[in-house]
Amino acid sequence: DAMVIQNPRYQVTQFGKPVTLSCSQTLNHNVMYWYQQKSSQAPKLLFHYYDKDFNNEADTPDNFQSRRPNTSFCFLDIRSPGLGDAAMYLCATSRERAGTRFQPQHFGDGTRLSIL
Amino acid sequence: AQKVTQAQTEISVVEKEDVTLDCVYETRDTTYYLFWYKQPPSGELVFLIRRNSFDEQNEISGRYSWNFQKSTSSFNFTITASQVVDSAVYFCALSEADSNYQLIWGAGTKLIIKP
Repeated sequence: DAMVIQNPRYQVTQFGKPVTLSCSQTLNHNVMYWYQQKSSQAPKLLFHYYDKDFNNEADTPDNFQSRRPNTSFCFLDIRSPGLGDAAMYLCATSRERAGTRFQPQHFGDGTRLSIL
Repeated sequence: AQKVTQAQTEISVVEKEDVTLDCVYETRDTTYYLFWYKQPPSGELVFLIRRNSFDEQNEISGRYSWNFQKSTSSFNFTITASQVVDSAVYFCALSEADSNYQLIWGAGTKLIIKP
């Protein structure tokens, strides 16, 4: 059974039209991550939540926002998508963030975003 | 400088051949973690293995094996008797205190197994 669930699998939006991608988890993990992955590249971390504590990567554009209303759900909001934002967006979770108890990140299937 | 180097961009072998994917890392931390993930064409990232810096014991899981050598800062991955279903992009990643334990990814190696 899927433990990190991303919806939708494919999303098409128009240039400049806000879009929201969703992620849910059944693992009860403390940490949830959002990555952007462009074709033939490694995933790039956008931000993560440790419980309700939001941590933004320094080079994440302001166009990208996130919400975590509860432990199970996390959303990625792209306020004004540009053509360069077309990518696969991956959600991941881990039990803990750092230290000797560090757990591997478990990934969802991803949402492939296209911009028209 | 690249912290995680996967020098092989793409490897193509015939089914049943053995294949080794190379990973070289760079860190100043004494405590760190190394990972391998598989990304098949469907897109999901599948966790394969985590190794911490204090455990240099090699690991075998079925047809998969990993060779961790701190002396050469390498964490290589071997698939024995490869199968078509092994075709995927494989990522090596590093987690270290210096980077607040975020995953530092290699560029990935695309593995093509031909029938």
